[in-house]
Amino acid sequence: GENVEQHPSTLSVQEGDSAVIKCTYSDSASNYFPWYKQELGKRPQLIIDIRSNVGEKKDQRIAVTLNKTAKHFSLHITETQPEDSAVYFCAASQDNYGQNFVFGPGTRLSVLP
Amino acid sequence: EPEVTQTPSHQVTQMGQEVILRCVPISNHLYFYWYRQILGQKVEFLVSFYNNEISEKSEIFDDQFSVERPDGSNFTLKIRSTKLEDSAMYFCASRTSGTHPQRDFGPGTRLTVL
Repeated sequence: GENVEQHPSTLSVQEGDSAVIKCTYSDSASNYFPWYKQELGKRPQLIIDIRSNVGEKKDQRIAVTLNKTAKHFSLHITETQPEDSAVYFCAASQDNYGQNFVFGPGTRLSVLP
Repeated sequence: EPEVTQTPSHQVTQMGQEVILRCVPISNHLYFYWYRQILGQKVEFLVSFYNNEISEKSEIFDDQFSVERPDGSNFTLKIRSTKLEDSAMYFCASRTSGTHPQRDFGPGTRLTVL
């Protein structure tokens, strides 16, 4: 089955700096890669996703890159703000309706003012 | 914007007791999921449900667990005989029947087994 690893487990950056979180996956059949942000005590919220037919996707300060050959994908946050502080989870799945997501272990991002 | 809702927000139960966690998915969604998150750990898949039957389940989802869609709106997770290690946050999620695979998560139910 799919296995998703995520690094780093914790990340502290100064406000305004960039943050990069990396995930690797094991199943070459996976073709959908979402990123979720989870604030303390709250539900996971989708922030960006990418399918395997695309190498990069950007939404304002957030971007995701995918390297299918190496089986890794990364989340990039530019101009970080204190409200970006949260736990970020990557996930991988096949784009079938019932297919479950396999989540990475999470990265706790702290943006220091 | 419609959201997935879950009740209760927090459930405390004694070991060995049965609990039912309730979810109301977004009304036009057809695929339903339960996930759990042990404190400080990652979100783990439990089960997916479509067309009134389980489409996939993980090894966590053993005979103590069951899911049901008793009416047109609710989606429930039952744990028959709770164990201490069932203590976790349980998230319900749903998705549309379209081509978008993203799930919308509910706010979660924190289950504490004493």
